[in-house]
Amino acid sequence: QSVLTQPPSVSAAPGQKVTISCSGSSSNIGNNYVSWYQQLPGTAPKLLIYDNNKRPSGIPDRFSGSKSGTSATLGITGLQTGDEADYYCGTWDSSLSVLVFGGGTKLTVL
Amino acid sequence: QVQLQESGPGLVKPSETLSLTCAVSGYSISSGYYWGWIRQPPGKGLEWIGSIYHSGSTYYNPSLKSRVTISVDTSKNQFSLKLSSVTAADTAVYYCARGDYGDYVLGHYYYYMDVWGKGTTVTVSS
Repeated sequence: QSVLTQPPSVSAAPGQKVTISCSGSSSNIGNNYVSWYQQLPGTAPKLLIYDNNKRPSGIPDRFSGSKSGTSATLGITGLQTGDEADYYCGTWDSSLSVLVFGGGTKLTVL
Repeated sequence: QVQLQESGPGLVKPSETLSLTCAVSGYSISSGYYWGWIRQPPGKGLEWIGSIYHSGSTYYNPSLKSRVTISVDTSKNQFSLKLSSVTAADTAVYYCARGDYGDYVLGHYYYYMDVWGKGTTVTVSS
């Protein structure tokens, strides 16, 4: 059971928009910054979003992040078949002193 | 361009010690950042094992702390993981990664892994 809760799967059609939620508590998301990772099949995770809503160099602005209270959201617009992947949220848990991740959400682009 | 590459045995016997090394290129470990290990059991999510700061300070996941040692060799620009008394539950893909950690505002922390190795599969079996 992960400390951060994500939906197991989401799906949408090419060109559409999808959001992936990540729910936590005051000891993690509520007081710390959230990051998001994309894991394409058979590859290592890749940083998509850090500090709640910042994109590393090279990440297209189709990807966005937001945070409100103890929840965070990853948004992806203009969906492409190449976006099919597992997406993970992560943050520091101040009570556990652990970098925690959500259980992951599998995105299917229909 | 910063690159990380894991290496080590792909098969470890139960009760023995798993040992992995992460070679870093394109950046000097001595210059900063946190250097960490994350694992992913087959078909499951990510689990942070721990990290080491370039100065040698270590931070471990409490659930694994009694079995984990992370060390750094700045002369070789690499860092290592040792996990003792392994069982089948330790079978996973092990990733090394560079992390950035701190607090912009006191008590509000950021911690993200911005560069990852490709991962190495470790199977625990007799």
